[in-house]
Amino acid sequence: DVKVTQSSRYLVKRTGEKVFLECVQDMDHENMFWYRQDPGLGLRLIYFSYDVKMKEKGDIPEGYSVSREKKERFSLILESASTNQTSMYLCASSLGLSWGSGVGEDTEAFFGQGTRLTVV
Amino acid sequence: KQEVTQIPAALSVPEGENLVLNCSFTDSAIYNLQWFRQDPGKGLTSLLLIQSSQREQTSGRLNASLDKSSGRSTLYIAASQPGDSATYLCAVTNFGNEKLTFGTGTRLTIIP
Repeated sequence: DVKVTQSSRYLVKRTGEKVFLECVQDMDHENMFWYRQDPGLGLRLIYFSYDVKMKEKGDIPEGYSVSREKKERFSLILESASTNQTSMYLCASSLGLSWGSGVGEDTEAFFGQGTRLTVV
Repeated sequence: KQEVTQIPAALSVPEGENLVLNCSFTDSAIYNLQWFRQDPGKGLTSLLLIQSSQREQTSGRLNASLDKSSGRSTLYIAASQPGDSATYLCAVTNFGNEKLTFGTGTRLTIIP
């Protein structure tokens, strides 16, 4: 089974702190994603990475950056945490079409358990 | 831009009933559609994946259908149980960029 592991279930940070959220997958997937989930707004894509050191902005990248130095690890960085970044953060991975058989199942996404971040 | 809608936002049914959850999307250029389950405070668990060339997928008491031309999918749950209570989310993977676009979910409550 694919396993996507997020480093923390719960985090409490102070405004202005630099925050690192870590995500590791064990299935050699090409694609990795960071979403945030807020009541009434659903899941929104922050950043997407389709290969090591490659990244694309999602719908709400402001205030965030990412790092992917190794294939299995995708980090989300809050440069200076603010209270409006209090949210549930979800990491996901998928195999990727460029390395799979080119059919839709290669884009099946698997999620971690989520990190509930509170910025005070 | 792809938009995914799930109606209703919440649904309560008595235990044992069959039920259908709905998902619609605006752009039919997709690789696949996934249905997920989310328990309160937890991550997403993948339930079913339907590839764009498929019409339906089944897993146990769950059956998902896809009508790509009309932009609709349904998740059918047979003989509902209290343990089925959760939020159900659908997501489409968009053609050309492999990103998922999510609906806002249906919160399902099964009444014992």
